[in-house]
Amino acid sequence: DAKTTQPPSMDCAEGRAANLPCNHSTISGNEYVYWYRQIHSQGPQYIIHGLKNNETNEMASLIITEDRKSSTLILPHATLRDTAVYYCIVRVEQKAAGNKLTFGGGTRVLVKP
Amino acid sequence: DGGITQSPKYLFRKEGQNVTLSCEQNLNHDAMYWYRQDPGQGLRLIYYSQIVNDFQKGDIAEGYSVSREKKESFPLTVTSAQKNPTAFYLCASTSAGANGYTFGSGTRLTVV
Repeated sequence: DAKTTQPPSMDCAEGRAANLPCNHSTISGNEYVYWYRQIHSQGPQYIIHGLKNNETNEMASLIITEDRKSSTLILPHATLRDTAVYYCIVRVEQKAAGNKLTFGGGTRVLVKP
Repeated sequence: DGGITQSPKYLFRKEGQNVTLSCEQNLNHDAMYWYRQDPGQGLRLIYYSQIVNDFQKGDIAEGYSVSREKKESFPLTVTSAQKNPTAFYLCASTSAGANGYTFGSGTRLTVV
């Protein structure tokens, strides 16, 4: 799986959009971009994933650049409960169970009132 | 509701003792995983299992053992050979076509 680079930390004002960048310059054509988040002392939670098109769900939006070398996770209206560590992961499509998920250091997001 | 249950939430162990962490899922997922997390660090893969009665070592398997006798259960034993077992342990599961992994709430193991 390709390696990702994320800023170690960032702050965000409550109610504002939080834009979390991720670089994955060595991504392969069949690798997806996944985002998870981990609230303190809990298990990670799946947020969203995508291949090359932008994706949106009830939690967030994922913007992937045309060359696929980077992406941005957008939390449209950050709340205090969005304070967490956010992990960007790239891996092949989950066509078969058993593919490993490799976590890096992630970005520690602090939402401030 | 379907999910993954890890127990206990907190566990204390004396040095030299083996201890077993429980992980049960009712999601009918084929694959299950064990990760270790140290303070301020990311997750590191210990063991994973793609199917019943089969499992593979992850990146830091030394000092740990697992079994997969049932699809819904994947217990992890931390043996006395694990030199620094104090950590947060997370279990996860997934299947082909699933939207990512589902994680349990974790077990915090402390050696006293």
